[in-house]
Parts: sequence; C-alpha cells; structure tokens
Amino acid sequence: AQSVTQLDSHVSVSEGTPVLLRCNYSSSYSPSLFWYVQHPNKGLQLLLKYTSAATLVKGINGFEAEFKKSETSFHLTKPSAHMSDAAEYFCVVSGQAGTALIFGKGTTLSVSS
Amino acid sequence: KAGVTQTPRYLIKTRGQQVTLSCSPISGHRSVSWYQQTPGQGLQFLFEYFSETQRNKGNFPGRFSGRQFSNSRSEMNVSTLELGDSALYLCASSGEGNEQFFGPGTRLTVL
Repeated sequence: AQSVTQLDSHVSVSEGTPVLLRCNYSSSYSPSLFWYVQHPNKGLQLLLKYTSAATLVKGINGFEAEFKKSETSFHLTKPSAHMSDAAEYFCVVSGQAGTALIFGKGTTLSVSS
Repeated sequence: KAGVTQTPRYLIKTRGQQVTLSCSPISGHRSVSWYQQTPGQGLQFLFEYFSETQRNKGNFPGRFSGRQFSNSRSEMNVSTLELGDSALYLCASSGEGNEQFFGPGTRLTVL
C-alpha cells in the first residue's frame, strides 16, 4: 500500500531564511509524488509533481523537491521564505490505480518577519 | 480556462437530512474526484468518476454516493447525515496527466 509521512506537523521560519518540509513515502512501485499547498479557507494548489523523470523537480513560487529513492524521501525546499508562503503543505502520493491521491497529514508553515 | 467550481460553498444541515454537492471540472477534463477534509482524519479520498462511471472508490460507507453527467459535471450525495460528516468536501478534476486540480471546496456543517 502507498503512504506518505510528513515528519513535521509545524515548521516556523523567519522571512528570508530557507524552508525545508520533510516527507517520506512508502510505495510498492515507482510512485508519482506531489506537493500541494492550502492557504486558509482556500482549495489546494499544486506546487510541483514528480513522475519518474528528473529527480530534482522545480515548482511554482521558487519551491523545489528532490526525489531520493534510496531514502524514500521527497522533501520540499525553498531558498528564501516569504510571508506569503505561510500555509499548510501536503505531501501526496498517487494510489496504485493512479487516480486516488493519498495525502500526508500536512505541515503548517509559519513565517515571521 | 476557468478552474474547478463547487457549489454551494457553505451548507448547514441537521442530522438525518441528506445533501447534494456539485462540482464543475475544468473544461476538457473527464475525471472528477472527491475528497473529504476534516481536522481529525485529514484529507481522504471518496471516489472518482470518469466518463460517467465510478472508476475508483475510497473507504467510506454507502451513505456517500456520487454520479457524473455527460458534460463531466459531478454531484456527490450524502444521505442520513451524521455529525461526523461535517467537513470540507473538495472536488478535483484531471485531464490527460495525473495531476489533479482542486476546487475551493464546500464547507458542510451538520448540526
């Protein structure tokens, strides 16, 4: 069965400092992995996706993630945090049928000035 | 292109009632998936429809059902509402790729 574990429920950073949100996955086959962001009272927005092409995936708003098969990790990073990055972030793996998405519990990112 | 739209955005019902939520996918997308988001359980997959057929189903009771119309619009129905059904219900559509694009959600409160 597929699953994802987000290692931190809450991450706090200062504006201008790097962001690291950690995610480990479990999958019995080569997975499709995603990061989504949810701002308060908003729907989910796709940040980036990995589908077995390049292991370093660049997304929107300066975010990127690196797929590491040996570590079963897909951590999300950004060199410099902005206040507008404060939101909840979800690491997601696609189910075996390729359609159902399996979400991690989410990481709340707080950014202080 | 217009994004995924969901109606209504907010809904208040009482226990035992039923409710129908609507989702219009991005133009050209034929797959529509539904998810439930609660503080305790997080985001959970309900079901997916493709070309008017349910293609995949999550682990929810039969009170939760859905359908899809020929124009790809989808509805989700919950019968005999329980307090625990209070949640944000999200709809997502997808086209040829496997990424899903989400609507703003319908916030259901059951009293």
